[in-house]
Amino acid sequence: SSELTQDPAVSVALGQTVRITCQGDSLRHYSARWYQQRPGQAPVLVIYGKNNRPSGIPDRFSGSTSGNTGSLTITGAQAEDEADYYCNSRDTSGYPLFGGGTKLTVL
Amino acid sequence: QITLKESGPTLVKPTQTLTLTCTFSGFSLTTSGVGVGWIRQPPGKALEWLALIYWDDDKRYSPSLKSRLTITKDTSKNQVVLTVTNMDPVDTATYYCARDYWNGYGYYFDYWGQGTLVTVSS
Repeated sequence: SSELTQDPAVSVALGQTVRITCQGDSLRHYSARWYQQRPGQAPVLVIYGKNNRPSGIPDRFSGSTSGNTGSLTITGAQAEDEADYYCNSRDTSGYPLFGGGTKLTVL
Repeated sequence: QITLKESGPTLVKPTQTLTLTCTFSGFSLTTSGVGVGWIRQPPGKALEWLALIYWDDDKRYSPSLKSRLTITKDTSKNQVVLTVTNMDPVDTATYYCARDYWNGYGYYFDYWGQGTLVTVSS
C-alpha cells in the first residue's frame, strides 16, 4: 500500500503526554517526518530522520518509527501545540506521501 | 535565511491552465541534494504532493495527476514553475511550494512558502 493512515483526531490534557501515530508500508523503509499546521498557516517541519528536530522546535516533540508505524510524541503538551499534524514518507519510487492528518486538541 | 513564496492567479476558470511560480532565496537549486516541490491542500482537507524538481533537473510527478502537471526551474531567477492543465473546481486549494532537502536521513520538506489559494470557478 502507498498510503499513510492517521487517526483523524486526538485530544490531550494540558501538560500531559500524547502520541500521534501514522501507519503505512512505506514506513518500513523510510522513517516518518512530521509537520505541524496551525489554522491558516503553512506546515512546519517538527521531526525528520530517526528523531531529529529542526532548530527552534521544542524538545517536548519527539519521533520514532518501528515497523510500519511512525509516532510523534509530545511530552507535556502546551496550548500552542493545538494544531493539525501530518506524517510524511516516501514510497518505493521516492514519491512523497502524506497522511490524512490528525487534529490535536489540547484540553 | 531561506524563504519561498508562491505567486499566480487566485481565480481560474474550469478547463483553463494554472501557472504558479515559486520564488525562493537563501539556497540554490544547483546544489546537490536540493529540490523544490509543490504540495496542495483543498479547504479543510489533507496535504497532497503534486510535483518535485531537483538540482540535476530530475522531475517527479504524482501518478494520479501526472498527465496534467509540468514542473520547470529557472536557476538564474531562483524560480520553479508549476503548470496544471484542464483545471476543475476540485482543484480549488491552497498551493504550497517547499524545499526538499537531503541531509543523509533522506529527503524532507524543510522550508515552506506561505501558500496561495487558487479557486476554480466560472
